[in-house]
Amino acid sequence: EPEVTQTPSHQVTQMGQEVILRCVPISNHLYFYWYRQILGQKVEFLVSFYNNEISEKSEIFDDQFSVERPDGSNFTLKIRSTKLEDSAMYFCARRTGENSPLHFGNGTRLTVT
Amino acid sequence: QKEVEQDPGPLSVPEGAIVSLNCTYSNSAFQYFMWYRQYSRKGPELLMYTYSSGNKEDGRFTAQVDKSSKYISLFIRDSQPSDSATYLCAMSDGSGANSKLTFGKGITLSVRP
Repeated sequence: EPEVTQTPSHQVTQMGQEVILRCVPISNHLYFYWYRQILGQKVEFLVSFYNNEISEKSEIFDDQFSVERPDGSNFTLKIRSTKLEDSAMYFCARRTGENSPLHFGNGTRLTVT
Repeated sequence: QKEVEQDPGPLSVPEGAIVSLNCTYSNSAFQYFMWYRQYSRKGPELLMYTYSSGNKEDGRFTAQVDKSSKYISLFIRDSQPSDSATYLCAMSDGSGANSKLTFGKGITLSVRP
C-alpha cells in the first residue's frame, strides 16, 4: 500500500470548473510533489512544496494551478478553470528526507469533459 | 535529443526468462537513478534507487548504472507473471527539495505463464 493516500480516485468535471485534488500523507513529511501523466505519455513534474511553500514549479504549472497545505496535513492541488488538456492522472509524491527517493500515491484520474 | 529515452515496447517474455530494460540519458548532471514499476491505473512504485555507477541488487532485480555511457539498466531474473507491468526509469540531478524527477516513457512488460 502506498504511504500517500489520494482522493478522489476519479474526478469527472466540466471544462471551466474548478477541481481540488487531495493528498493525505500517512506520517508527517516535509517534502511534497505533484506530478501528472497524460494517457500514453511520460510522467511529468508539476511542482515541489517544501516547508509550506513552493520550491520549484514547471512550465506546466501556470496561474491556473495552485497548491497548499491548509491544515498541516492534507496537501491539495487546485486547478481553477479546467481545460480538456488537463485530463490526466495526477500523482502526489512525498520524500521522507533530503536524500531519499520519491514515493508516489495511487493517483487521481481527472477527466475534463 | 530527448533528456531520457527508454527502449520502446511492449516486451513479452516467457516465465523464468531474464529481462533487460534500458534507458539512456543526455544530461550529464543526472546523479540519482530510479526504476519504478507501475500497474494499470496505479501510481509508480519504487523498485530501485541508486546514485553511483555500478550494480545494485535486490532479490531478483539488479540495477546497473554506467555514467560514462549515460546508460542505465534494470535486470529481472526468473521473471514471473506478477512482474507484468510498465517499468519507468527516472533520474534527477540532485537530492533535496528541488530535485525533480525526469522520467522515461516506460516500457510495458508481459510475462507469459
